[in-house]
Amino acid sequence: GENVEQHPSTLSVQEGDSAVIKCTYSDSASNYFPWYKQELGKRPQLIIDIRSNVGEKKDQRIAVTLNKTAKHFSLHITETQPEDSAVYFCAASKNQGGKLIFGQGTELSVKP
Amino acid sequence: KAGVTQTPRYLIKTRGQQVTLSCSPISGHRSVSWYQQTPGQGLQFLFEYFSETQRNKGNFPGRFSGRQFSNSRSEMNVSTLELGDSALYLCASSFSKGNEQFFGPGTRLTVL
Repeated sequence: GENVEQHPSTLSVQEGDSAVIKCTYSDSASNYFPWYKQELGKRPQLIIDIRSNVGEKKDQRIAVTLNKTAKHFSLHITETQPEDSAVYFCAASKNQGGKLIFGQGTELSVKP
Repeated sequence: KAGVTQTPRYLIKTRGQQVTLSCSPISGHRSVSWYQQTPGQGLQFLFEYFSETQRNKGNFPGRFSGRQFSNSRSEMNVSTLELGDSALYLCASSFSKGNEQFFGPGTRLTVL
């Protein structure tokens, strides 16, 4: 069935360090991979996404990489800041449709 | 543009009752997806509607149902509420298939 595994479940870094969150998907037909950031008590917010015809995408301090062969994708945050502290969710969907399968989330803590 | 809105924001019900939640998408968006978020199960897909038709359905019992109106507003209904239905119910809208999903603030449902 469709499944997305996300690791680690918690991640603590010092301000200025890099953070990496990894996801693995099971359905090889998946072709759209968004990442969401959810602060406490807030709605999930899309921070970056990647489609299966691209291997890497970058937006300022955030980058996502995709390895279709291994069915892995990762979120990289450089020069972390305390305001990056939140829960991050990866997701996958196929046929670029409205059904997103989410990972379990990573609680990122950036210590000043 | 105004973001996705959901009403009510908070709801308390007792076991056996039914509940209806509402979602108004971003103006011009035609797809609405619903998700259930709990600490134990994370974010799980319920269903997606596009142009008043259910396009995708998750693995939830038939007590969970939804519909979409001609103005793209969507409702979801849960009948015969169980304690385990306590969760944050999020809806997300997108312009069409293959586009980014934007989440509403959610409805926090508590079943006593």
